[in-house]
Amino acid sequence: NAGVTQTPKFQVLKTGQSMTLQCAQDMNHNSMYWYRQDPGMGLRLIYYSASEGTTDKGEVPNGYNVSRLNKREFSLRLESAAPSQTSVYFCASSEAGGWGYTFGSGTRLTVV
Amino acid sequence: AQKITQTQPGMFVQEKEAVTLDCTYDTSDQSYGLFWYKQPSSGEMIFLIYQGSYDEQNATEGRYSLNFQKARKSANLVISASQLGDSAMYFCAKKRPGANNLFFGTGTRLTVIP
Repeated sequence: NAGVTQTPKFQVLKTGQSMTLQCAQDMNHNSMYWYRQDPGMGLRLIYYSASEGTTDKGEVPNGYNVSRLNKREFSLRLESAAPSQTSVYFCASSEAGGWGYTFGSGTRLTVV
Repeated sequence: AQKITQTQPGMFVQEKEAVTLDCTYDTSDQSYGLFWYKQPSSGEMIFLIYQGSYDEQNATEGRYSLNFQKARKSANLVISASQLGDSAMYFCAKKRPGANNLFFGTGTRLTVIP
C-alpha cells in the first residue's frame, strides 16, 4: 500500500547512545517532515526537507540531525540521546507546498 | 509561531449522538488551510477533513463536518451519529500556503459511551 513507512516502531535507548530513525515514502512527494509528539503538546516540527537535497530546521531541532538521502527517504538521527528526547516521532510527506500531509505510523522512543 | 487552541482536553458523548470539538487559532494570514486529524489508540495520524480559508461552504466528509467561522477564527469539528470507533484523540491543525509547517493544537480526547 502506498504511504509513509517508519522504522523502527519502538526503541529504547540509554542516555548518550545514538540512533537513526528511518522514513521512506512511495508517493513521489517532494517534501518530507519529522515531528515529535509529547503529552499535552500536540505535534511539533523538528526538521523538514522541502525537496531532495535541502533540509531546514523546524520548531524544535536541537539534539537532532537529518539526512534527505534521496526523494524517497528522510532519516532523523539522535547523536547522543537524552531523556528529554523520549517521545513519539512521526514522519510525514506532502507535495511541495501542498496541503495534504500523509503521516507514518510513528516511532515510540524511550531514553532511559 | 502560529497558535492553535483546543480548550477541551477531554469530551464524552453518547453513542449515536453528535459532538462538537472546538478549535480556535491566531492568524494574520488571509489565506490558510485548516485540518482535523484523528489519532486512535494505535497511534497513527488519520486525516479527516480540510477547510480552506476562502472556501465559502463548510467542509463535509461523511459524518464529519467543519463549522468554520472565519471572523471568529474558529474551525470546530462536528461528528454526527457518534460510533464507538470514534473514541480517539482529535487534533486541529493550520497551515499557510507554501509554508513547510503544519501547526497543531494540543488535542481533544473523545470518548464515546455505549
